[in-house]
Amino acid sequence: EDKVVQSPLSLVVHEGDTVTLNCSYEVTNFRSLLWYKQEKKAPTFLFMLTSSGIEKKSGRLSSILDKKELFSILNITATQTGDSAIYLCAATTNYGGSQGNLIFGKGTKLSVKP
Amino acid sequence: EAGVAQSPRYKIIEKRQSVAFWCNPISGHATLYWYQQILGQGPKLLIQFQNNGVVDDSQLPKDRFSAERLKGVDSTLKIQPAKLEDSAVYLCASSLATYNSPLHFGNGTRLTVT
Repeated sequence: EDKVVQSPLSLVVHEGDTVTLNCSYEVTNFRSLLWYKQEKKAPTFLFMLTSSGIEKKSGRLSSILDKKELFSILNITATQTGDSAIYLCAATTNYGGSQGNLIFGKGTKLSVKP
Repeated sequence: EAGVAQSPRYKIIEKRQSVAFWCNPISGHATLYWYQQILGQGPKLLIQFQNNGVVDDSQLPKDRFSAERLKGVDSTLKIQPAKLEDSAVYLCASSLATYNSPLHFGNGTRLTVT
């Protein structure tokens, strides 16, 4: 059965800290890995990773994929209280020739204290 | 661009009642998804449409859940009759039908079954 496992499930840090969120996956016909940020409403898209070893960056957030070891990490530097959210990792598959669905992990709940 | 629109935002019903959710995807997005997110879990795919055809409904409890996307745009998801374990946030998402297009989520409908 396809699965995505995130760790830790929750994390409390102070503003200015750097955090690393982990995501491992076991997915047949793997296509790509995505990171989403979920506050109280809809998950918002952060990154899509398809190639190993190529870091994607957006401001203080960065992410990288290791397709050999089947994991990805999401780094957040100089954390701010606005970074408090649940971070979801999801894998996509090749399914029926179309895009395929997302297989989500349970998420990491990040709390950033002032 | 306007995001994915969902209604209602909240719904409280008693078990064995029926309920329907509505979703309007981003204009031009051929692929539409319904996800169920139970508290503390990542979203789980219920059904995926490509235009008005079903691509994947393998995880849809078809004895009580139904969904349609008649004109390839808006979609409705219905539960009849509802059970206590259906309490969750129902997220609609849409994407372009092109390779590796990320999903964009709506704000969801929070369903409470009492």
